[in-house]
Amino acid sequence: AQTVTQSQPEMSVQEAETVTLSCTYDTSENNYYLFWYKQPPSRQMILVIRQEAYKQQNATENRFSVNFQKAAKSFSLKISDSQLGDTAMYFCAFGETSGSRLTFGEGTQLTVNP
Amino acid sequence: ETGVTQTPRHLVMGMTNKKSLKCEQHLGHNAMYWYKQSAKKPLELMFVYSLEERVENNSVPSRFSPECPNSSHLFLHLHTLQPEDSALYLCASSQDRAHYYEQYFGPGTRLTVT
Repeated sequence: AQTVTQSQPEMSVQEAETVTLSCTYDTSENNYYLFWYKQPPSRQMILVIRQEAYKQQNATENRFSVNFQKAAKSFSLKISDSQLGDTAMYFCAFGETSGSRLTFGEGTQLTVNP
Repeated sequence: ETGVTQTPRHLVMGMTNKKSLKCEQHLGHNAMYWYKQSAKKPLELMFVYSLEERVENNSVPSRFSPECPNSSHLFLHLHTLQPEDSALYLCASSQDRAHYYEQYFGPGTRLTVT
C-alpha cells in the first residue's frame, strides 16, 4: 500500500518570501501521479499542481513549483512570492495510474504573515 | 464556489438522531466520493460511486449509509453515530472513475456528534 508523509504539521512565512513544503511517499509502482491540494480556511479544497512520475521536468503553475525527486520519493512544493491568500492547509497526495483512489498525507498548515 | 455543493455546512446531532448529508455536483461528472477529514489525520476515503453504482466501500461502519440516486447527487445517511465520528465530511467528484486523480471538492459538512 502507498503511504504519503508530510513531516511539517505547521509552517509560517512572511509575505513575499519563498517557502517549501515537504512530502515523501512510498510506493513500488514505477508510474504514478503526485498532487498538491490547497484547503483554505472554510473553503473548498482545490488542486494546486500535478506531476506525472514519468515526466522528468518539474511541474510549475505560476508561483507554485515542485521539486520531484523520484529516486528519493520526494515531492516538495515551493511557493514563491507568498501572498496572504496562500494561507491554507496543504495536502500532498499520491495516485496510481492504474488505480482509482488518492492517498493523502496528513497536511501542512501554512500561515503567511503580513 | 466551485461546481460541488454540500448541505448543510454545519450539523450537530445526538447519538440517537438520524440525519443526512447532501452533495450535488454541477460539472457533469460520473464519479462521486465521500471522505472523512479528522484533525491531524490524512483524508480517509469512505465511498466511491461511479455511474450511480457503489464501487468502493472502505470498511466504513454501517451507521454510515450512502445513496446515489443519480450522477449529480450523493447522500450520506447517518444514524446512531459516535462522538468519534465528529469530523469534516467532504464530497468530491471527477469526470469518471478513470480520472479519479482530478477531483473537485465541495466545502464540506462540519459534523459534531454530542
